[in-house]
Amino acid sequence: QVQLQESGPGLVKPSETLSLTCTVSGASISSYYWTWIRQPPGKGLEWIGYIYYSGTTNYNPSLKSRVTISVDTSKNQFSLNLYSVTAADTAVYYCARRRVVPANGYYYYYMDVWGKGTTVTVSS
Amino acid sequence: EIVLTQSPGTLSLSPGERATLSCRASHSVNSSYLAWYQQKPGQAPRLLIYGASSRATGIPDRFSGSGSGTDFTLTISRLEPEDFAVYYCQQYGSSPPMYTFGQGTKLEIK
Repeated sequence: QVQLQESGPGLVKPSETLSLTCTVSGASISSYYWTWIRQPPGKGLEWIGYIYYSGTTNYNPSLKSRVTISVDTSKNQFSLNLYSVTAADTAVYYCARRRVVPANGYYYYYMDVWGKGTTVTVSS
Repeated sequence: EIVLTQSPGTLSLSPGERATLSCRASHSVNSSYLAWYQQKPGQAPRLLIYGASSRATGIPDRFSGSGSGTDFTLTISRLEPEDFAVYYCQQYGSSPPMYTFGQGTKLEIK
């Protein structure tokens, strides 16, 4: 059974860097894509970006200038760095496994396993 | 960027009733790229439907998805008490290549 667990500071100061790690258990991080998604308090879901185990990344254009996602296959982990944070970055941050499944000449794209989420507050 | 608009914002129904949730895209979406999630308070989203109509592993058959182009629907045939939650549609677009979510529909007990 695949499980994901987010970890990292719950409080970050404005203008500093938000750093989170997602530890994958029950499956190898290799051969899959992994993604970060966030949810501000009382609001909807926002996709941040994803990474392939090889290191290939894709980011939300609205966050691209401030985001880096990296992977450590030896630790079965992937990480999120969000730079120059403001109060608007306060949210629950989720890591999830991204599936790309071939079907009938196309691909299915969805997130099938999610971590429980970690709350990050940006405040001085 | 494709924008997904879900309606209604809130749906009030009773257990046993049928729920119909709508997700409308600003531009045509490949139905293979459309998914639905359920989120209960304090929990992570859970995948319900992918490819617009395929149920994820372990999802009861009272949940069904349909639609194509710009109009997609999630139907819950007979509501159980545990189905009251917020539901999100999601699409993966190729130009630019990114995921977007609808704003959610809250399904509440009447």
